[in-house]
Amino acid sequence: KAGVTQTPRYLIKTRGQQVTLSCSPISGHRSVSWYQQTPGQGLQFLFEYFSETQRNKGNFPGRFSGRQFSNSRSEMNVSTLELGDSALYLCASSPQTRTVSGNTIYFGEGSWLTVV
Amino acid sequence: GQQLNQSPQSMFIQEGEDVSMNCTSSSIFNTWLWYKQEPGEGPVLLIALYKAGELTSNGRLTAQFGITRKDSFLNISASIPSDVGIYFCAASGGGATNKLIFGTGTLLAVQP
Repeated sequence: KAGVTQTPRYLIKTRGQQVTLSCSPISGHRSVSWYQQTPGQGLQFLFEYFSETQRNKGNFPGRFSGRQFSNSRSEMNVSTLELGDSALYLCASSPQTRTVSGNTIYFGEGSWLTVV
Repeated sequence: GQQLNQSPQSMFIQEGEDVSMNCTSSSIFNTWLWYKQEPGEGPVLLIALYKAGELTSNGRLTAQFGITRKDSFLNISASIPSDVGIYFCAASGGGATNKLIFGTGTLLAVQP
């Protein structure tokens, strides 16, 4: 069974540009969430999608957005890039089989974004 | 952003030693997960805990979900060099969200 796949793995962008990152969840998983990892802030939740609907959002500015497609694949976009957006962006997927306790959540290898 | 209190921050041990790390929170959670991350990679799930008091093992790893639902610990027995990495705890309220709050991480170094 293929794991969570993220593309691209590495990219360099210039301040002011925008970037789109892609995530393919594990087959059958309908929940996709995104996290930002930096040395200073650690792993921070960005947003979560389930059945093409955003159902939770972290404390990030509106420049960070995402979406989920009908096949559960997801993209996130960061507009007007700032130097501080340099980070590892991680996608995670979950089968969403439990309704009371939480679900098992699997991460991809991440997309390394460097803003210069 | 919000983070769980994870300790110790780092550990430098000899191969064969046992290791223990823990996470605490002021909030109640319904799920605790433990991950290991190696340089340049994403976090890899080690153990998932879904019920207060639950004790779960995965090979040399053992983790427990605290009775108060505000803490969890991870033990690694007989450490080996490939155990090197950063270990993160993560917690979720469960239900209709998979949002995870992460711990600050424990860096483990194992000397052969």
